[in-house]
Amino acid sequence: DVKVTQSSRYLVKRTGEKVFLECVQDMDHENMFWYRQDPGLGLRLIYFSYDVKMKEKGDIPEGYSVSREKKERFSLILESASTSQTSMYLCASSLLGLGRGTVDYGYTFGSGTRLTVV
Amino acid sequence: GESVGLHLPTLSVQEGDNSIINCAYSNSASDYFIWYKQESGKGPQFIIDIRSNMDKRQGQRVTVLLNKTVKHLSLQIAATQPGDSAVYFCSEETSGSRLTFGEGTQLTVNP
Repeated sequence: DVKVTQSSRYLVKRTGEKVFLECVQDMDHENMFWYRQDPGLGLRLIYFSYDVKMKEKGDIPEGYSVSREKKERFSLILESASTSQTSMYLCASSLLGLGRGTVDYGYTFGSGTRLTVV
Repeated sequence: GESVGLHLPTLSVQEGDNSIINCAYSNSASDYFIWYKQESGKGPQFIIDIRSNMDKRQGQRVTVLLNKTVKHLSLQIAATQPGDSAVYFCSEETSGSRLTFGEGTQLTVNP
């Protein structure tokens, strides 16, 4: 079964801490994404990556950075956590050329990390 | 800007009824759309997709309809079951492999 695994289901961190959220996929997907999910706002894209060592800003990158040193791993970093970053964080991966392959399943999502910053 | 929206944040149906969840999108250039289901405590899961060269696609108990003229998507679930209770998101491919998601509709199935 294909999988996207997020290292933590729940995290509680203090304001000002540096926080690492890890995501690993075993499908050899080129694309990886980080979203945050908040009530009434849906899923908002933070950062994405089409290849190793490559990253692109999404819609809400402020206060975040990412790292992709290996194809299967995409890390989200909160440089100095704030209470406004309390949220559900979702990692996803997909094949390159979404929607153009013979078999497409869009994004495969992890189960999410619920982060609380106090 | 580009966005995908849903008409209703919540929908309540009786078990066994058919459900219809609607979604409007704004980017007329979008050519790939996906519906996702998110159960409580889980990440979104793929349900069904459709390309812009189609207006209907059927899966198991689910059908997606695409009306490009009015930029409207709908997801129909036949014989809705309690296990269908979840939040449903529509999404569109806006550029490259990047998806934009709607805000979601919470479907509640009453026994």
